Amino acid sequence: GNSVTQMEGPVTLSEEAFLTINCTYTATGYPSLFWYVQYPGEGLQLLLKATKADDKGSNKGFEATYRKETTSFHLEKGSVQVSDSAVYFCALSSIYNQGGKLIFGQGTELSVKP
Amino acid sequence: DTEVTQTPKHLVMGMTNKKSLKCEQHMGHRAMYWYKQKAKKPPELMFVYSYEKLSINESVPSRFSPECPNSSLLNLHLHALQPEDSALYLCASSQGAPDRVSEGYTFGSGTRLTVV
Repeated sequence: GNSVTQMEGPVTLSEEAFLTINCTYTATGYPSLFWYVQYPGEGLQLLLKATKADDKGSNKGFEATYRKETTSFHLEKGSVQVSDSAVYFCALSSIYNQGGKLIFGQGTELSVKP
Repeated sequence: DTEVTQTPKHLVMGMTNKKSLKCEQHMGHRAMYWYKQKAKKPPELMFVYSYEKLSINESVPSRFSPECPNSSLLNLHLHALQPEDSALYLCASSQGAPDRVSEGYTFGSGTRLTVV
């Protein structure tokens, strides 16, 4: 079945450090891939997405590239800020799985220290 | 309008109470969802409404009862809940299949429910 695996957290970084959160997936067909972010006390916000192989999603300095050969969608940011502290969820959606049901990874908590 | 609005933001209820959570969207989305989320865990799907009809019930206990009065509104009626039902309840909406595969879902800010 379809699944998403994320690196375990929590991840603690100093401000301006480079961030990578690993995400790999298993899916039937050609899924779309997403990163959602959840700030403390809030709902989930779509951070970026990619819908086909080699697409790069980007937003707010974050990037992720859809790598079909390695079934990965790693999230990166060159210089993190304290305001980036949140929980990040990788997710996929495939028409072959209940018509596009969103499948989430376990989430990775990021804490950025000043 | 690109938001999903949930009310109330916080709710405390006793195990014998009846309460309702409300969700509203005006993006023309034809699918709406209820999720339950425990702290720092991924959201767990509870119900899916597609074109105002219940299409998925993920074996949710009957003390949770969803309702979709129209394409913009989604309710979750709560009755005789248990303390372990305390969680963040998230509403989401999306285009219908197959568009939602590429567009993703829009989530509300959630209702934080405490059962005492």
